[in-house]
Amino acid sequence: GAGVSQSPSNKVTEKGKDVELRCDPISGHTALYWYRQRLGQGLEFLIYFQGNSAPDKSGLPSDRFSAERTGESVSTLTIQRTQQEDSAVYLCASSLDGGAGELFFGEGSRLTVL
Amino acid sequence: AQSVTQLGSHVSVSEGALVLLRCNYSSSVPPYLFWYVQYPNQGLQLLLKYTSAATLVKGINGFEAEFKKSETSFHLTKPSAHMSDAAEYFCAVRHYGGSQGNLIFGKGTKLSVKP
Repeated sequence: GAGVSQSPSNKVTEKGKDVELRCDPISGHTALYWYRQRLGQGLEFLIYFQGNSAPDKSGLPSDRFSAERTGESVSTLTIQRTQQEDSAVYLCASSLDGGAGELFFGEGSRLTVL
Repeated sequence: AQSVTQLGSHVSVSEGALVLLRCNYSSSVPPYLFWYVQYPNQGLQLLLKYTSAATLVKGINGFEAEFKKSETSFHLTKPSAHMSDAAEYFCAVRHYGGSQGNLIFGKGTKLSVKP
């Protein structure tokens, strides 16, 4: 597609369940970012992938969070044993590289943990 | 460390009034600077960016921003606010310090437009 695609757009889960969120970046974009946005808050950096380099995982809030990226394509963010404080919108963005280019954002995946 | 400060988490203007959203950054090298807008229940989209060409940058929807190195500022302006401008605005700086994917976002300013 022409833009960054995220799925699911909405996910409601029970506390303790695992969830997977998917991001399809723009074709050819080597850089991919995940952010968390809690209700009424700004962007919280989670993880950054750039080409074949080791990802920058410095923003992951706990070991319940992990992310993978297959080559320069799809990325999956996994949250294990979800907690209510994980409820947020998870935004994915991609850019042509990690240089001066702008980020292109998906619409986000809204996660609600009951 | 690189940082971005947006003064005012919430700004309210009347329709037709000047919009001014403030952004100050810290960077040890000439930065790349961005303004993004987020409409309700949507992702962010680029309004404009500064990449060391002209210091006055024009963006979409009538917005512009001026890079002032001496003030380390990149304030966003629009001469006349429209109701459709109500959204949240994020300033960001691209840096090369290696953290957070070389990109730091401000905390955002929510713009309300009164009729």
